[in-house]
Amino acid sequence: DIQLTQSPSFLSASVGDGVTITCRASQGINNYLAWYQQKPGKAPKLLIYAASTLLSGVPSRFSGGGSGTEFTLTISSLQPEDFATYYCQQLISYPWTFGQGTKVEIK
Amino acid sequence: EVQLVESGGGLVQPGGSLRLSCAASGFTFSSYWMSWVRQVPGKGLEWVANIKQDGSEKYYVDSVKGRFTISRDNAKNSLYLQMNSLRAEDTAVYYCVRLGELVRGSGYYYYMDVWGKGTTVTVSS
Repeated sequence: DIQLTQSPSFLSASVGDGVTITCRASQGINNYLAWYQQKPGKAPKLLIYAASTLLSGVPSRFSGGGSGTEFTLTISSLQPEDFATYYCQQLISYPWTFGQGTKVEIK
Repeated sequence: EVQLVESGGGLVQPGGSLRLSCAASGFTFSSYWMSWVRQVPGKGLEWVANIKQDGSEKYYVDSVKGRFTISRDNAKNSLYLQMNSLRAEDTAVYYCVRLGELVRGSGYYYYMDVWGKGTTVTVSS
């Protein structure tokens, strides 16, 4: 199975800060990677797919990059509604797997 | 409005069975792969199963193989998850998910673009 490791697991930041979350795959996954945002008690929401394609309607302050084994999710300027947990997911081979999550909290 | 609504969760004893349902609306259900994803409260996400548009292909995470069966009824716009021989470790919120698909070059890029609100399954004596 392909393991995904996100770093950091926890991030404390202020409104307006730029932040980057990294997702590393245990083997190459080309760019078959998606990013999701989840708020407490809610279902996850898709942000980015194919590593760097922003879902329509998602604010442009979110961006994704990377290929192979290392990927990033960047939020250019944190807004109050961005404080949540973020997950990466690989969709190149079964079983599809998720990273353990990165919780972004308000400093 | 594109919507997925799960039902069928509840409390069941270890070794018991439960059937989850997901009602889809607002899109052409028969055109999409569908998934089930679960989440233990306070923990991360785990992909459970996928089913192709016509039901001809199904994939499962190893921990549920032989116990869970994913199925669909396109005439009823519904997705199902039959769960047998339930264990305490199956306790989770189960999400019904639509798979979007991007064709780029020779690759098919899937992504989980629509999620239901989830239904809670608790396996306990």
